[in-house]
Parts: sequence; structure tokens; C-alpha cells
Amino acid sequence: GQQLNQSPQSMFIQEGEDVSMNCTSSSIFNTWLWYKQDPGEGPVLLIALYKAGELTSNGRLTAQFGITRKDSFLNISASIPSDVGIYFCAGANQAGTALIFGKGTTLSVSS
Amino acid sequence: NAGVTQTPKFQVLKTGQSMTLQCAQDMNHNSMYWYRQDPGMGLRLIYYSASEGTTDKGEVPNGYNVSRLNKREFSLRLESAAPSQTSVYFCASSYGGSNTGELFFGEGSRLTVL
Repeated sequence: GQQLNQSPQSMFIQEGEDVSMNCTSSSIFNTWLWYKQDPGEGPVLLIALYKAGELTSNGRLTAQFGITRKDSFLNISASIPSDVGIYFCAGANQAGTALIFGKGTTLSVSS
Repeated sequence: NAGVTQTPKFQVLKTGQSMTLQCAQDMNHNSMYWYRQDPGMGLRLIYYSASEGTTDKGEVPNGYNVSRLNKREFSLRLESAAPSQTSVYFCASSYGGSNTGELFFGEGSRLTVL
């Protein structure tokens, strides 16, 4: 089946640092999304990307839909303690039955 | 607005027992989903319902059954629980079809099978 390879698996950073994580697939996707899960909660949508090459920002977050449609990255600038959580990439394609999720990147931020 | 509501939030079962996880959404969404989350495995789709009256298997359907009771409610049933079903279960919903991507999740149901 389709798989999304998300990296890194975990990150430990200092407050104020920038963060970058990415997701790749062997299959083409028409939609790339990034979700964040706070401890004890369900995932919440951060950014949705619908077009190859699209670059979208949401506050300190920036995400891009790769030109090949097989990858996406998420950047967080000037990290703060509340950025702590698990970040998931997710992809969907026209023939897909539902979203496919990566295994997540666990972010820890020390102040 | 409540969004997506799951019950129960916590449950402990013995091997072989049955139980049903309930999910309801108040956003008039057409599609609903059940995922399970295990450490290091991400979110894996169990079953989904693209619209009222339809259900389809996801990546890991074995040992589960679902019922789309009406547009608002989508339940997940474990007929004979096994320790391998210890997990956190998330219900989600979306307005559009299953490939639009914008899912809204509940807070999760934490199940332990002894």
C-alpha cells in the first residue's frame, strides 16, 4: 500500500530555533496536509496544500507542496514552548479512499 | 460547538469482551472515519463512511465492525477484544469526500485490553 515517509522521527530544539520536517512518498498525491497533535488531544489541521509548487504560510508555519507531487515540507520559525507536540503529514489522491498519514515527528522545545 | 464527540474516553477490557465506541459530529459532515494510533505507527485507518448508508474498510479493519447509524453518528465495535487492539482510537469527520483531506478529529478513546 501507499506509505508516507516522514522525517525526522523526533527533534529536540531550543526555544527560538527554526524547525524543518518533511514527508516523501513513492506515489503522487493531489493534496498534502500538515496536522499537529497536542498531548492527550486529537490532531488539528495546520496547513492544507492543493497545488504542486504551492507555498502556504500560517503565522510562523510555512509548508510547501513539492513540484513532483511526491513530497512536502513544513517549517516552523522562531519556535516557542507551545509548539511541542507531534506533527503529522498526510496525503490524499484522486483515487484514494481516505487520508494516509505519516508516522509523525515529535517536537520537544526547551526554554 | 462540540465538533466531534467520542465516548467513552477511557476503557479497560478483558480479552474476549466486546464493546462499542461511539462517535457523533454536529458539523453536518458527510464523511466519517475511525483511526487507531499506536506509538511509532502514526494514524492508521480502520473503517470509513463516505456518506450516510455506506461503509468501507481501511488499512486495518480486522477485528472491527462499524455502523453509520445516521448522518451524525458512526460507531466502532470490537466483538472479541484482543491485547493487540490496545490503542488510542480517533473518530474524524469531513464535509467533502474522503480525498479532500480536511478532517476534524475527536479527542480520542484510550482502550486497554488485558
